[in-house]
Amino acid sequence: QKEVEQDPGPLSVPEGAIVSLNCTYSNSAFQYFMWYRQYSRKGPELLMYTYSSGNKEDGRFTAQVDKSSKYISLFIRDSQPSDSATYLCAMKWQGAQKLVFGQGTRLTINP
Amino acid sequence: GAVVSQHPSRVICKSGTSVKIECRSLDFQATTMFWYRQFPKQSLMLMATSNEGSKATYEQGVEKDKFLINHASLTLSTLTVTSAHPEDSSFYICSARAFGGAFRETQYFGPGTRLLVL
Repeated sequence: QKEVEQDPGPLSVPEGAIVSLNCTYSNSAFQYFMWYRQYSRKGPELLMYTYSSGNKEDGRFTAQVDKSSKYISLFIRDSQPSDSATYLCAMKWQGAQKLVFGQGTRLTINP
Repeated sequence: GAVVSQHPSRVICKSGTSVKIECRSLDFQATTMFWYRQFPKQSLMLMATSNEGSKATYEQGVEKDKFLINHASLTLSTLTVTSAHPEDSSFYICSARAFGGAFRETQYFGPGTRLLVL
């Protein structure tokens, strides 16, 4: 079993839809949770950064962390074709240098 | 803020030659930098972690004599692929961890370098 599980997709939704992306993890020591967006042939871009449990909102993006269920989510409201990319979840525990990544979900928003 | 650059963005070289890739944190000091390799449609594979002024720590299976990493300052790390072969062709991405601040537990990524070895 991988430490972080993420459905690779692909996921295709119509423009304007609400997108839900998820990761599950097995290590309860993880405390820092991130979502990255990666366009084709580009480096990952940090979208959301959350410490411990709770919700965080930034524009059309909302990140949720449920540590009791070992489950994190990224919601995208009013999705746009420009949101088409691969979304990677990542996490780490206190004191660790390395991030543990999910496999990434390929998302396509259809006009 | 938190911009990381890489140079070159793309490089083509002949088999047997060496290639150097630079990674710079432009607006913050990075105590730690990371080098990743990514194959098409796959996630990031960590190659090594480098701390400023000390030797890099390589992941299992990564040849340290082939992938030389130098982290000479808080804003610059270099990866040199020595005696490159076609199987080294890949997308190489660096990231940097900030020295302090609210986001010091995360990593900021460069735009990547596409290496093609002929």
